[in-house]
Amino acid sequence: ETGVTQTPRHLVMGMTNKKSLKCEQHLGHNAMYWYKQSAKKPLELMFVYSLEERVENNSVPSRFSPECPNSSHLFLHLHTLQPEDSALYLCASSEGRWATEAFFGQGTRLTVV
Amino acid sequence: GQQVMQIPQYQHVQEGEDFTTYCNSSTTLSNIQWYKQRPGGHPVFLIQLVKSGEVKKQKRLTFQFGEAKKNSSLHITATQTTDVGTYFCAGNSGAGSYQLTFGKGTKLSVIP
Repeated sequence: ETGVTQTPRHLVMGMTNKKSLKCEQHLGHNAMYWYKQSAKKPLELMFVYSLEERVENNSVPSRFSPECPNSSHLFLHLHTLQPEDSALYLCASSEGRWATEAFFGQGTRLTVV
Repeated sequence: GQQVMQIPQYQHVQEGEDFTTYCNSSTTLSNIQWYKQRPGGHPVFLIQLVKSGEVKKQKRLTFQFGEAKKNSSLHITATQTTDVGTYFCAGNSGAGSYQLTFGKGTKLSVIP
């Protein structure tokens, strides 16, 4: 148990589907992150939220839409994805800026068919 | 943009042998972190190095941060099968950045 919970753990979706990934942290952190982990690529930072405000967006396609309703919850809304979007999507949280220790969730294994 | 290179990509060792992975950044770092990801698992924080030339030890693991704060290494002495996994370094450029730039990782296999 890392204190960061992601659901679902596995997701298979068609290219025309709309789905959402959920992340919840119980650590009292004020920064939350979405990362994408593909085979043979480094972990790629997608979005950062600090105190519910998006502070970084690393040129992620608009078919990925994040939402942070409060400091404990983070969502990633998915629509019209491509097969190359299949990956492990990891949520993480940290105390704040300067990228202090990040606590990762167990990830959602996404397959786009 | 900042790049973090990590070598080797894969390492197979006999149990009891030592293991080292190296990390190099294209820019000077504010700090560097190391994570371990077990097969099928998620990255787990190991340590953070902040000071130039810093050396930290955790049992059989020794972490170093270079004098120029652009490179780092992780050395494991006398590997065990429990050390299996992928080891990632992640650099932070500071200046108020939230961004950690991860290396591609070194996947360690330990042959019993």
